[in-house]
Amino acid sequence: DIQMTQSPSSLSASVGDRVTITCRASQSISSYLNWYQQKPGKAPKLLIYAASSLQSGVPSRFSGSGSGTDFTLTISSLQPEDFATYYCQQSYSTFFTFGPGTKVDIK
Amino acid sequence: QVTLKESGPVLVKPTETLTLTCTVSGFSLSNARMGVSWIRQPPGKALEWLAHIFSNDEKSYSTSLKSRLTISKDTSKSQVVLTMTNMDPVDTATYYCARIVDSSSFLYFDYWGQGTLVTVSS
Repeated sequence: DIQMTQSPSSLSASVGDRVTITCRASQSISSYLNWYQQKPGKAPKLLIYAASSLQSGVPSRFSGSGSGTDFTLTISSLQPEDFATYYCQQSYSTFFTFGPGTKVDIK
Repeated sequence: QVTLKESGPVLVKPTETLTLTCTVSGFSLSNARMGVSWIRQPPGKALEWLAHIFSNDEKSYSTSLKSRLTISKDTSKSQVVLTMTNMDPVDTATYYCARIVDSSSFLYFDYWGQGTLVTVSS
């Protein structure tokens, strides 16, 4: 199975900060990479699919980039509602796998 | 609008079989380029994909849990059912169902159910 890693595992940031989260796949997955946001007690929400396509309704401060094995999720200006845990997920293989998550909390 | 809702027992005993049902609305399980996955999340831990089924009845299972899982669908009832045998306390988790969309071969989960917490304990 394809293994996904994320860094950092957690970070503290302030409102207005630019935040970057990295996701790495154990083998090349082309652009078959999705990003989700999860708040406590809630289901995950799709942010980015196909590495860089913004899901409808998601604010433009979220962006994704990368291909092959290395990917990034960037929040250009962190807002109070963005404090959450973020997961990457590969769909190159139909044995889908998620990363371990990155928790973004308030500095 | 698209909704998915999980239902099933909140408590199961070790060695029992868990049966979960995902009832969908706002789309048909016969829609091409769509499917439904089950995903779980132990308390305080990461998401883990379990299984999926597509409109053409194509199925796939987590490698580590394959021997314990069965996924099926009843299109007329708009339901997807997951069974997991031989439950253990480590299987305690919130279980989600989510819609898979195939957009030009890119697959992603665009709608999720609210999740159902299943506790395994004697």
